[in-house]
Amino acid sequence: NAGVTQTPKFQVLKTGQSMTLQCAQDMNHEYMSWYRQDPGMGLRLIHYSVGAGITDQGEVPNGYNVSRSTTEDFPLRLLSAAPSQTSVYFCASSFRSPGSSRATQYFGPGTRLTVL
Amino acid sequence: TQLLEQSPQFLSIQEGENLTVYCNSSSVFSSLQWYRQEPGEGPVLLVTVVTGGEVKKLKRLTFQFGDARKDSSLHITAAQPGDTGLYLCAGAERGSTLGRLYFGRGTQLTVWP
Repeated sequence: NAGVTQTPKFQVLKTGQSMTLQCAQDMNHEYMSWYRQDPGMGLRLIHYSVGAGITDQGEVPNGYNVSRSTTEDFPLRLLSAAPSQTSVYFCASSFRSPGSSRATQYFGPGTRLTVL
Repeated sequence: TQLLEQSPQFLSIQEGENLTVYCNSSSVFSSLQWYRQEPGEGPVLLVTVVTGGEVKKLKRLTFQFGDARKDSSLHITAAQPGDTGLYLCAGAERGSTLGRLYFGRGTQLTVWP
């Protein structure tokens, strides 16, 4: 199993550009999440999904869209990039609710995004 | 406002010393997790605690969940350079929608040989 994969690993955008961060998992996990990590801020939840066709907002959803058409894929779209979206983005997946004692949440390697 | 407050933010110690990292909140959590993250990688789950007062041990690491399920601590005995990394606590808020996990800001630990 490849686990959780994210592409690209690095990306530079200009203000106003749009792009999609890709995330895929091959573990048949129902739960998938997108986080952003900024220095001194820990990880903040952007959007999450509890199964194909079901998504919900996290703590910081503004400026980001998601969809979950398949169990495997959970892309994150930036519609009009802003410098405040410069961050490291992590995708994660788990078989059960990530807070469950019987679940392990697996993280991808991250995408480092810079918006100029 | 951060739901989970971690302290200290930075910790720099010598090999062999003991240390404790704290994770506190005014909210009650159904579970609390500890992760370790190395530079350029995603966090890796160390442990999940779900019962108030629960203590779990992972070799030299001891994790405790507060009786009221509002706080947790991570204690490392005889720290080694390999323990260096960013330690993050994360909580599933009681009553919240499944899938929402809140993270603390993290504790950057450096263990010098």
